[in-house]
Amino acid sequence: EVQLVESGGGLVQPGGSLRLSCAASGFTFSSYSMDWVRQAPGKGLEWVSYISSSGTTVYYADSVKGRFTISRDNAKNSLYLQMNSLRAEDTAVYYCARGVVAGLVYFDYWGQGTLLTVSS
Amino acid sequence: DIQMTQSPSTLSASVGDRVTITCRASQSISSWLAWYQQKPGKAPKLLIYAASSLESGVPSRFSGSRSGTEFTLTISSLQPDDFATYYCQQYITYWTFGQGTKVEIK
Repeated sequence: EVQLVESGGGLVQPGGSLRLSCAASGFTFSSYSMDWVRQAPGKGLEWVSYISSSGTTVYYADSVKGRFTISRDNAKNSLYLQMNSLRAEDTAVYYCARGVVAGLVYFDYWGQGTLLTVSS
Repeated sequence: DIQMTQSPSTLSASVGDRVTITCRASQSISSWLAWYQQKPGKAPKLLIYAASSLESGVPSRFSGSRSGTEFTLTISSLQPDDFATYYCQQYITYWTFGQGTKVEIK
């Protein structure tokens, strides 16, 4: 059974940093690209970042470029999101999602999410 | 950037109704479109990919179609478990979601 479990969320002051983690199980992690998607309270879904299966290719939404860094450790079946210079508008539930390559990439499994609150 | 516009934002329906949700892309995305269902406090669930391909395990009452840059998610006979918010997503250029359509009980 595919499982994605996010952790690391919490309350952070504006300008602070935090690292989110996503532990994967039930599939060959190193064979799949992974993404982070966020959802502000009461709002819709916003794609945040992508990393290829090997970790060599990464993409970011303009809203987080230069502040967030995605990475992965295939030996530990883990995905990470390092978030720096956090702003109030980064407050959201952050989901990790598995990418399926069928021509192009869509997301077939999602974790349950971890909540980040940026507030003083 | 590719914009995805869903309509309606909210839809009131009864069990057994045929429900249609529309998603329009701001430019051509071919058939690179997915639909997700999200219930309160839960993660999104993939329903449809490639505009009309049903994800394994998803009930056959869900279907998707495409006409140019307009995409449709249809629920043929609404069931109690289907009251949720639905999102479309393009995946031809990065990934962009529609704003969501909430299907509520009439």
